[in-house]
Amino acid sequence: GAGVSQSPSNKVTEKGKDVELRCDPISGHTALYWYRQSLGQGLEFLIYFQGNSAPDKSGLPSDRFSAERTGGSVSTLTIQRTQQEDSAVYLCASSLVSGAGELFFGEGSRLTVL
Amino acid sequence: EDQVTQSPEALRLQEGESSSLNCSYTVSGLRGLFWYRQDPGKGPEFLFTLYSAGEEKEKERLKATLTKKESFLHITAPKPEDSATYLCAVQEPERLVFGKGTKLTVDP
Repeated sequence: GAGVSQSPSNKVTEKGKDVELRCDPISGHTALYWYRQSLGQGLEFLIYFQGNSAPDKSGLPSDRFSAERTGGSVSTLTIQRTQQEDSAVYLCASSLVSGAGELFFGEGSRLTVL
Repeated sequence: EDQVTQSPEALRLQEGESSSLNCSYTVSGLRGLFWYRQDPGKGPEFLFTLYSAGEEKEKERLKATLTKKESFLHITAPKPEDSATYLCAVQEPERLVFGKGTKLTVDP
């Protein structure tokens, strides 16, 4: 597609439920990043992929968070047993290669945990 | 970890009133400093990359400059459509570290 596509754009869930957030990067971009943006906070790095591998998982807040990328394209971020503090906008970005500073962001998935 | 601090947190200007936003950073060897613009409900949009002290980049009413410890985003004669949050970030080996941003409002 022309840009990075994320779905759903909005998700409201109950505490304790699992959620999946999807990111479809720009075609040909080998690097894919997940960031989280909470109200009043900056962008918090979660994880990045180079191809299908995730060399750096250090940003994931807890073991309830996991992510995968298949076929060097679509990525899914999964949050298990959601908590209220997980409420945030989850942003996905892609770039031609890892280590490039020019990232192309999607519009984000807004997660609200009740 | 590298630190990025932006000031002010919020800035309100009248149309045509020039000003500057600040981004100070502490890094062990700068690999690149980046400015992004973020509109409400949207993802950040890339504006500039700066690599070395003394470097400047311009785009329309925006000019970004870099010293060894900070970067400035100068806005000349702003218009209401320049209203947005401006984010600064530094490059770590495989990720960008962002500041919290400056929310700019330009009144007509």
